Amino acid sequence: NAGVTQTPKFQVLKTGQSMTLQCAQDMNHNSMYWYRQDPGMGLRLIYYSASEGTTDKGEVPNGYNVSRLNKREFSLRLESAAPSQTSVYFCASSELAPGAYEQYFGPGTRLTVT
Amino acid sequence: AQSVTQPDIHITVSEGASLELRCNYSYGATPYLFWYVQSPGQGLQLLLKYFSGDTLVQGIKGFEAEFKRSQSSFNLRKPSVHWSDAAEYFCAVFSGYSTLTFGKGTMLLVSP
Repeated sequence: NAGVTQTPKFQVLKTGQSMTLQCAQDMNHNSMYWYRQDPGMGLRLIYYSASEGTTDKGEVPNGYNVSRLNKREFSLRLESAAPSQTSVYFCASSELAPGAYEQYFGPGTRLTVT
Repeated sequence: AQSVTQPDIHITVSEGASLELRCNYSYGATPYLFWYVQSPGQGLQLLLKYFSGDTLVQGIKGFEAEFKRSQSSFNLRKPSVHWSDAAEYFCAVFSGYSTLTFGKGTMLLVSP
């Protein structure tokens, strides 16, 4: 099994450009998550989807939108990139069932906005 | 609200020495607790989890953690550290809704 996959692995954008980060999981998990990781800040939740058809804001949603395309796929869109969005982005998924609340992470996308 | 504190930002351990990474949580009910490891340039990998039962849980790569309710702690231990254990370690608690709350992480450096 591939687990959680993310594309692209690296991306450089100019300020104001848009892009979509793709995430897919093959574990038949109910929930999916987008995080950003910055030095000294740990992991911060951007958006999540507790189940197919629902999305909710996390700690730092401003400047981002998400789409839960189906049970497998959860995309993150930057409509107008800003240098403050330079970060490493991680997607994760979880079965979100009693005894199975752990999340499984993808390899990350390193985004630089100039 | 739930929170996780990892008091040590960096820890240096000699190869072969024992390791203990500290984690304190704040949560009203019985917590579901996790430890993750992140190697440079990689995503987070689950080391172990606690959700009920035996308070000493075993994980992958020779790690274990002990849940102590009286101290609100879930410390990670390893008897003998290898150079390949150098990484960043994150403790997390289930929020009770749909999300995990992570600590800020502890960077482990292993000296020869």
